[in-house]
Amino acid sequence: AQSVSQHNHHVILSEAASLELGCNYSYGGTVNLFWYVQYPGQHLQLLLKYFSGDPLVKGIKGFEAEFIKSKFSFNLRKPSVQWSDTAEYFCAVNQWTDKLIFGTGTRLQVFP
Amino acid sequence: DADVTQTPRNRITKTGKRIMLECSQTKGHDRMYWYRQDPGLGLRLIYYSFDVKDINKGEISDGYSVSRQAQAKFSLSLESAIPNQTALYFCATSDATSGRVEFFGPGTRLTVL
Repeated sequence: AQSVSQHNHHVILSEAASLELGCNYSYGGTVNLFWYVQYPGQHLQLLLKYFSGDPLVKGIKGFEAEFIKSKFSFNLRKPSVQWSDTAEYFCAVNQWTDKLIFGTGTRLQVFP
Repeated sequence: DADVTQTPRNRITKTGKRIMLECSQTKGHDRMYWYRQDPGLGLRLIYYSFDVKDINKGEISDGYSVSRQAQAKFSLSLESAIPNQTALYFCATSDATSGRVEFFGPGTRLTVL
Protein backbone atom coordinates (compact mmCIF):
# COMPACT_ATOMS: atom_id res chain seq x y z
CA ALA A 1 0.00 0.00 0.00
CA GLN A 2 1.09 3.52 -0.64
CA SER A 3 2.31 5.27 2.48
CA VAL A 4 4.00 8.38 3.77
CA SER A 5 6.15 8.23 6.89
CA GLN A 6 6.99 11.08 9.19
CA HIS A 7 9.32 9.70 11.79
CA ASN A 8 9.42 12.75 14.04
CA HIS A 9 6.13 12.84 15.89
CA HIS A 10 6.96 15.66 18.28
CA VAL A 11 9.85 18.08 18.03
CA ILE A 12 10.73 20.68 20.64
CA LEU A 13 13.17 23.46 19.79
CA SER A 14 14.32 26.78 21.10
CA GLU A 15 14.02 29.87 18.94
CA ALA A 16 16.87 30.25 16.43
CA ALA A 17 17.54 26.52 16.36
CA SER A 18 17.65 24.78 12.99
CA LEU A 19 14.85 22.45 11.97
CA GLU A 20 14.71 19.36 9.83
CA LEU A 21 11.59 17.22 9.64
CA GLY A 22 11.79 13.89 7.88
CA CYS A 23 9.37 12.59 5.26
CA ASN A 24 9.68 9.35 3.34
CA TYR A 25 7.24 7.86 0.86
CA SER A 26 6.82 4.39 -0.54
CA TYR A 27 6.12 4.96 -4.24
CA GLY A 28 8.22 4.47 -7.31
CA GLY A 29 7.90 6.62 -10.36
CA THR A 30 6.80 10.19 -10.65
CA VAL A 31 5.32 11.80 -7.57
CA ASN A 32 4.16 15.21 -6.46
CA LEU A 33 5.25 16.17 -2.97
CA PHE A 34 3.83 18.66 -0.52
CA TRP A 35 4.33 20.06 2.94
CA TYR A 36 1.34 21.54 4.72
CA VAL A 37 1.26 23.41 8.01
CA GLN A 38 -1.57 23.59 10.50
CA TYR A 39 -1.28 26.36 13.07
CA PRO A 40 -3.17 25.82 16.33
CA GLY A 41 -6.91 25.94 15.72
CA GLN A 42 -6.54 26.58 12.01
CA HIS A 43 -6.92 24.64 8.79
CA LEU A 44 -4.12 23.26 6.67
CA GLN A 45 -2.15 25.65 4.52
CA LEU A 46 0.31 24.83 1.80
CA LEU A 47 3.90 25.47 2.83
CA LEU A 48 5.62 24.29 -0.34
CA LYS A 49 5.33 21.79 -3.16
CA TYR A 50 7.50 19.87 -5.58
CA PHE A 51 6.30 18.71 -8.98
CA SER A 52 9.47 18.62 -11.06
CA GLY A 53 12.70 20.49 -11.73
CA ASP A 54 15.07 21.76 -9.06
CA PRO A 55 14.87 19.29 -6.18
CA LEU A 56 15.46 22.06 -3.65
CA VAL A 57 12.16 23.83 -3.19
CA LYS A 58 11.65 27.06 -1.32
CA GLY A 59 8.36 27.81 0.34
CA ILE A 60 6.79 30.47 2.48
CA LYS A 61 8.15 31.77 5.79
CA GLY A 62 11.72 30.66 5.10
CA PHE A 63 10.99 26.96 4.77
CA GLU A 64 12.60 24.77 2.15
CA ALA A 65 12.53 21.09 1.28
CA GLU A 66 14.79 18.82 -0.68
CA PHE A 67 13.54 15.99 -2.85
CA ILE A 68 16.01 13.09 -2.91
CA LYS A 69 14.59 10.55 -5.32
CA SER A 70 17.09 7.81 -4.45
CA LYS A 71 16.06 8.01 -0.81
CA PHE A 72 12.33 8.51 -1.45
CA SER A 73 12.59 11.51 0.85
CA PHE A 74 11.30 15.07 0.98
CA ASN A 75 12.63 16.56 4.20
CA LEU A 76 11.54 19.97 5.41
CA ARG A 77 14.14 22.43 6.71
CA LYS A 78 14.39 25.88 8.21
CA PRO A 79 17.70 27.37 9.33
CA SER A 80 16.31 29.33 12.28
CA VAL A 81 12.86 28.69 13.75
CA GLN A 82 10.65 31.23 15.44
CA TRP A 83 8.04 30.87 18.15
CA SER A 84 5.40 31.53 15.48
CA ASP A 85 6.46 28.32 13.70
CA THR A 86 4.80 26.29 16.44
CA ALA A 87 2.35 24.13 14.50
CA GLU A 88 1.75 20.69 13.12
CA TYR A 89 3.45 19.85 9.85
CA PHE A 90 2.17 17.30 7.36
CA CYS A 91 3.98 15.77 4.45
CA ALA A 92 1.78 14.58 1.58
CA VAL A 93 2.27 12.77 -1.69
CA ASN A 94 0.22 12.11 -4.75
CA GLN A 95 0.89 10.19 -7.89
CA TRP A 96 -1.40 9.68 -10.81
CA THR A 97 -4.53 9.12 -8.76
CA ASP A 98 -4.90 12.78 -7.82
CA LYS A 99 -5.48 11.77 -4.22
CA LEU A 100 -3.24 13.15 -1.54
CA ILE A 101 -1.81 10.66 0.93
CA PHE A 102 -0.79 12.33 4.16
CA GLY A 103 1.76 11.41 6.75
CA THR A 104 0.73 11.31 10.38
CA GLY A 105 2.15 14.74 11.07
CA THR A 106 4.90 16.22 13.22
CA ARG A 107 4.05 18.55 16.06
CA LEU A 108 6.63 21.30 16.41
CA GLN A 109 6.88 23.35 19.57
CA VAL A 110 9.22 26.31 19.61
CA PHE A 111 10.06 27.94 22.91
CA PRO A 112 11.30 31.52 23.19
CA ASP B 1 -13.71 35.98 2.12
CA ALA B 2 -13.10 32.29 2.62
CA ASP B 3 -12.82 30.22 -0.56
CA VAL B 4 -13.83 26.96 1.12
CA THR B 5 -16.44 27.09 3.86
CA GLN B 6 -17.75 24.36 6.11
CA THR B 7 -20.88 24.25 8.23
CA PRO B 8 -21.26 23.69 11.08
CA ARG B 9 -17.90 24.50 12.61
CA ASN B 10 -18.65 22.55 15.76
CA ARG B 11 -21.25 19.90 16.47
CA ILE B 12 -22.01 17.67 19.41
CA THR B 13 -24.41 14.83 18.80
CA LYS B 14 -25.48 11.52 20.25
CA THR B 15 -24.85 7.98 19.12
CA GLY B 16 -27.29 6.91 16.43
CA LYS B 17 -28.14 10.36 15.15
CA ARG B 18 -27.87 11.32 11.50
CA ILE B 19 -25.47 14.17 10.87
CA MET B 20 -24.71 16.15 7.73
CA LEU B 21 -21.62 18.27 7.26
CA GLU B 22 -21.64 20.72 4.42
CA CYS B 23 -18.91 22.19 2.29
CA SER B 24 -19.11 25.00 -0.21
CA GLN B 25 -16.42 26.52 -2.37
CA THR B 26 -16.10 29.59 -4.52
CA LYS B 27 -12.82 28.62 -6.15
CA GLY B 28 -14.52 27.08 -9.18
CA HIS B 29 -12.65 23.83 -8.63
CA ASP B 30 -14.12 20.64 -9.99
CA ARG B 31 -12.58 18.30 -7.43
CA MET B 32 -13.72 18.09 -3.83
CA TYR B 33 -12.61 15.90 -0.94
CA TRP B 34 -13.57 14.98 2.61
CA TYR B 35 -10.89 14.09 5.15
CA ARG B 36 -10.97 13.33 8.83
CA GLN B 37 -8.13 14.21 11.16
CA ASP B 38 -7.38 12.24 14.29
CA PRO B 39 -4.47 12.87 16.67
CA GLY B 40 -1.46 10.80 15.66
CA LEU B 41 -3.12 9.55 12.49
CA GLY B 42 -2.86 12.59 10.25
CA LEU B 43 -5.52 13.15 7.62
CA ARG B 44 -7.34 10.26 6.06
CA LEU B 45 -9.45 10.49 2.92
CA ILE B 46 -13.11 9.56 3.34
CA TYR B 47 -14.63 10.34 -0.09
CA TYR B 48 -13.71 12.39 -3.09
CA SER B 49 -15.43 13.66 -6.20
CA PHE B 50 -13.85 14.80 -9.44
CA ASP B 51 -17.04 16.29 -10.83
CA VAL B 52 -20.75 16.42 -10.10
CA LYS B 53 -21.44 12.91 -11.39
CA ASP B 54 -18.36 11.33 -9.91
CA ILE B 55 -18.16 9.92 -6.36
CA ASN B 56 -15.31 7.75 -5.11
CA LYS B 57 -14.58 6.03 -1.84
CA GLY B 58 -11.44 6.94 -0.03
CA GLU B 59 -9.42 5.13 2.58
CA ILE B 60 -12.09 5.10 5.31
CA SER B 61 -15.55 5.40 3.74
CA ASP B 62 -17.41 2.92 5.96
CA GLY B 63 -20.12 4.65 7.98
CA TYR B 64 -20.14 7.71 5.75
CA SER B 65 -21.92 8.81 2.59
CA VAL B 66 -21.59 11.89 0.41
CA SER B 67 -23.60 13.96 -2.02
CA ARG B 68 -22.24 16.29 -4.68
CA GLN B 69 -25.21 18.59 -5.16
CA ALA B 70 -23.41 20.98 -7.47
CA GLN B 71 -19.88 21.77 -8.52
CA ALA B 72 -19.57 24.06 -5.52
CA LYS B 73 -21.18 21.84 -2.86
CA PHE B 74 -20.13 18.53 -1.36
CA SER B 75 -21.87 17.15 1.73
CA LEU B 76 -20.76 14.41 4.07
CA SER B 77 -23.33 12.40 6.01
CA LEU B 78 -23.02 10.12 8.97
CA GLU B 79 -26.14 7.99 8.76
CA SER B 80 -25.90 6.71 12.33
CA ALA B 81 -23.14 8.43 14.24
CA ILE B 82 -20.91 6.46 16.59
CA PRO B 83 -18.36 7.70 19.13
CA ASN B 84 -15.30 6.69 17.10
CA GLN B 85 -16.42 9.13 14.44
CA THR B 86 -15.49 11.92 16.83
CA ALA B 87 -12.86 13.83 14.86
CA LEU B 88 -12.01 16.98 12.98
CA TYR B 89 -13.40 16.89 9.46
CA PHE B 90 -11.92 18.88 6.60
CA CYS B 91 -13.25 19.57 3.16
CA ALA B 92 -10.75 20.32 0.40
CA THR B 93 -10.82 21.31 -3.25
CA SER B 94 -8.47 21.16 -6.20
CA ASP B 95 -8.39 21.19 -9.95
CA ALA B 96 -5.86 20.60 -12.68
CA THR B 97 -4.90 24.27 -12.89
CA SER B 98 -4.04 24.35 -9.18
CA GLY B 99 -1.41 21.73 -9.79
CA ARG B 100 -3.24 19.27 -7.60
CA VAL B 101 -2.73 21.48 -4.58
CA GLU B 102 -5.67 21.00 -2.32
CA PHE B 103 -7.21 23.98 -0.60
CA PHE B 104 -8.73 23.24 2.76
CA GLY B 105 -11.74 24.51 4.59
CA PRO B 106 -11.61 25.57 8.26
CA GLY B 107 -12.79 22.21 9.55
CA THR B 108 -15.75 20.88 11.49
CA ARG B 109 -15.16 19.52 14.95
CA LEU B 110 -17.63 16.69 15.52
CA THR B 111 -18.17 15.03 18.88
CA VAL B 112 -20.35 11.94 19.13
CA LEU B 113 -21.39 11.11 22.66
